[in-house]
Amino acid sequence: AQKITQTQPGMFVQEKEAVTLDCTYDTSDQSYGLFWYKQPSSGEMIFLIYQGSYDEQNATEGRYSLNFQKARKSANLVISASQLGDSAMYFCAMREGTGNQFYFGTGTSLTVIP
Amino acid sequence: AAGVIQSPRHLIKEKRETATLKCYPIPRHDTVYWYQQGPGQDPQFLISFYEKMQSDKGSIPDRFSAQQFSDYHSELNMSSLELGDSALYFCASSLGLAGGPPSTDTQYFGPGTRLTVL
Repeated sequence: AQKITQTQPGMFVQEKEAVTLDCTYDTSDQSYGLFWYKQPSSGEMIFLIYQGSYDEQNATEGRYSLNFQKARKSANLVISASQLGDSAMYFCAMREGTGNQFYFGTGTSLTVIP
Repeated sequence: AAGVIQSPRHLIKEKRETATLKCYPIPRHDTVYWYQQGPGQDPQFLISFYEKMQSDKGSIPDRFSAQQFSDYHSELNMSSLELGDSALYFCASSLGLAGGPPSTDTQYFGPGTRLTVL
């Protein structure tokens, strides 16, 4: 079974609007970490935001926020005030238990329209 | 701030040749991870090292080996290259092992090495 599911292969958003990228995860561990990365066309993987399983508050980093719903096992990324430079592939990832590897979703390609 | 350095950035090899990819982690980071990302795919975990010891192993082929050196840099050695090995290879680093606070849990990725096998 997939540990990370991203159901939106592609998304479009108007510049200056907010957009939500969906991510659901599957784990039986109580301790885990959830991450979002941005991959522009140039290929690098840029860390955006982190949410720990024991964190009670949703993580925020500038224009990025993570809508963490533990009971539903979802960790959606919200980007506010979209900019043209936000156009990229976005990956949700999870580290579970004491393991070191990250499990990635298949990604969502976001296009910001002027 | 210093980031993860990978070299070379691009590499072209023939089938059955060998390749060595190098990774220099962020200063003070002692854990290194290797991932393989095929075209249009998500990154797949290969292997990780903590304090020069292998800490976790993923879907790394037997033809590949890796190690972490005393200065914490890591090398991924790939032999008998196949066409299917063509991919973007990422190295990531973190401070300490997983499961700790965000400062140790987050993996920071390098720019990747794009390997093309002809």
